[in-house]
Amino acid sequence: GENVEQHPSTLSVQEGDSAVIKCTYSDSASNYFPWYKQELGKRPQLIIDIRSNVGEKKDQRIAVTLNKTAKHFSLHITETQPEDSAVYFCAASRRYSSASKIIFGSGTRLSIRP
Amino acid sequence: DGGITQSPKYLFRKEGQNVTLSCEQNLNHDAMYWYRQDPGQGLRLIYYSQIVNDFQKGDIAEGYSVSREKKESFPLTVTSAQKNPTAFYLCASSKTGDPYEQYFGPGTRLTVT
Repeated sequence: GENVEQHPSTLSVQEGDSAVIKCTYSDSASNYFPWYKQELGKRPQLIIDIRSNVGEKKDQRIAVTLNKTAKHFSLHITETQPEDSAVYFCAASRRYSSASKIIFGSGTRLSIRP
Repeated sequence: DGGITQSPKYLFRKEGQNVTLSCEQNLNHDAMYWYRQDPGQGLRLIYYSQIVNDFQKGDIAEGYSVSREKKESFPLTVTSAQKNPTAFYLCASSKTGDPYEQYFGPGTRLTVT
């Protein structure tokens, strides 16, 4: 079945440095790739998403890149801050007739060192 | 934090008992979803519904049941047939058609002893 692999599972970076999280997906028909941030004990919230007709998208310190040929996509966080500490999930989705399902990666726990 | 709510936040049950988790949304979304979250395993889809009175099994539907009698509500029942029910359960909703952002509820942490 469809699968999304996410690496690394944990990541620790110095405040101010950049963080990169990478994902690969198996379903070549996937056309929507959201990233969610989940703070401890809270609900996941969308931070950025990209559709397959775009190779890169940026929103302030956050950017996502997509390589459809290699079925890879990545999240880049620059100038990291303490409030960036959280678990990040990548996901891939496509439309199944009238439905759509999101397949999530297993998550990356990002810690920002002061 | 409005839009999609789940209750209760914490739920404790004895083994062998069925328990129903509530999920309500006022976002006028047609699609609703239930996920289970275990440490280190991300979010796994239990059931989803694209329209009232219709729902489909996700990847881990065994031991769970749902209903969708109203657009706003999608309750999940964890039955005694679910072998490892202790987990964090998240409900979500979205528009239908092309894939869209899913909005999550605050979650219910179920502990079965």
